[in-house]
Amino acid sequence: ILNVEQSPQSLHVQEGDSTNFTCSFPSSNFYALHWYRWETAKSPEALFVMTLNGDEKKKGRISATLNTKEGYSYLYIKGSQPEDSATYLCASPRSGYSTLTFGKGTMLLVSP
Amino acid sequence: EAGVTQSPTHLIKTRGQQVTLRCSPISGHTSVYWYQQALGLGLQFLLWYDEGEERNRGNFPPRFSGRQFPNYSSELNVNALELEDSALYLCASSLAGWRRLNEEQYFGPGTRLTVT
Repeated sequence: ILNVEQSPQSLHVQEGDSTNFTCSFPSSNFYALHWYRWETAKSPEALFVMTLNGDEKKKGRISATLNTKEGYSYLYIKGSQPEDSATYLCASPRSGYSTLTFGKGTMLLVSP
Repeated sequence: EAGVTQSPTHLIKTRGQQVTLRCSPISGHTSVYWYQQALGLGLQFLLWYDEGEERNRGNFPPRFSGRQFPNYSSELNVNALELEDSALYLCASSLAGWRRLNEEQYFGPGTRLTVT
């Protein structure tokens, strides 16, 4: 069974704060790590797909790092804005298939 | 380019009834995935179809089934509905998911099923 864990469960920050969340996954039989952003009343949207140890990806103010040896990934948001408010999900393919096992997500609320 | 579409948006059914949910993938995508998000739980993988075949299924009872059509659209069928089947059902599609583990999945807006 593949367990993907995320922390914290929720986070409330002020506009302009930088923040980060953690995704933990089993380091054995690693295939890929996906990050999604899920805004209320919208569909989950892919942010990053990471496969290599030490991978760093960036999209605007959001970036992610990957450590496959120790089984974790960090997602960073620099200078949070209210529009960043969403649930951030990480997921990993299960058993070599492309189907994803998701963590429960980190719910971010950014207040103006 | 049209995204993943799902129908219906909302559905209310009674225990014991049967329901069919529909999904149309992004044009050119051959893989369709179904996920369930029940209250308080994360997204749980249900079924994966690729090129018309069921490739993998999650830990759900056989009353959850589906199929993929030649145009790659897909149906999810749930028989003998139970109260705990109340959930948001999300469909996602990707390019040729078979053994391509770094493909992004593109999600539809979901179908909210309520079983009373």
